[in-house]
Amino acid sequence: EAAVTQSPRSKVAVTGGKVTLSCHQTNNHDYMYWYRQDTGHGLRLIHYSYVADSTEKGDIPDGYKASRPSQENFSLILELASLSQTAVYFCASSEAGTNSDYTFGSGTRLLVI
Amino acid sequence: GQQVQQSPASLVLQEGENAELQCNFSSTATRLQWFYQRPGGSLVSLLYNPSGTKHTGRLTSTTVTKERRSSLHISSSQTTDSGTYFCAMALMSNYNVLYFGSGTKLTVEP
Repeated sequence: EAAVTQSPRSKVAVTGGKVTLSCHQTNNHDYMYWYRQDTGHGLRLIHYSYVADSTEKGDIPDGYKASRPSQENFSLILELASLSQTAVYFCASSEAGTNSDYTFGSGTRLLVI
Repeated sequence: GQQVQQSPASLVLQEGENAELQCNFSSTATRLQWFYQRPGGSLVSLLYNPSGTKHTGRLTSTTVTKERRSSLHISSSQTTDSGTYFCAMALMSNYNVLYFGSGTKLTVEP
């Protein structure tokens, strides 16, 4: 079954440390996205990618890097984690097209202390 | 990013009542979708509706593109409908990238 798998499911990180969130999709989708969700809020786009080895900035890219080494994998990197980056992070994938469906992963709960 | 505003922020219903959720967006949307998130869960797509009226089960979405608004009607609500409903839109310039509203938290009481 096509899916988007995120790892880890949850993580506690120390301020100033490096954090890598991973996402793997088996949908054969071109597009992959990273969103963050803060408690009681909607999703905000951090980075996205439409092809391997290329990434694009979303609305809130500051403090985050992204890497798309293959069509299936998309990582989000926090080089210097900060308290304000505590949130739930969702990865999603979609085909290109106006009516293509988004498939979301289960999310990664990140707590920065 | 684009502005997507949803109302109400929260809604409490008794089982069997109908719900009406609203979504307004700042730019003309070429793509409009409604998503559902179970408490503590991930998001699933409910309806794709860039214009007109679409139905699926007890859900009806009406989008008026010129007026930059969409609504989601849930009929005969059930306790299992509880969760957060998100509206998301994309622009013609980049129709693959969705921008989300802050959601409407729906609680259906037995």
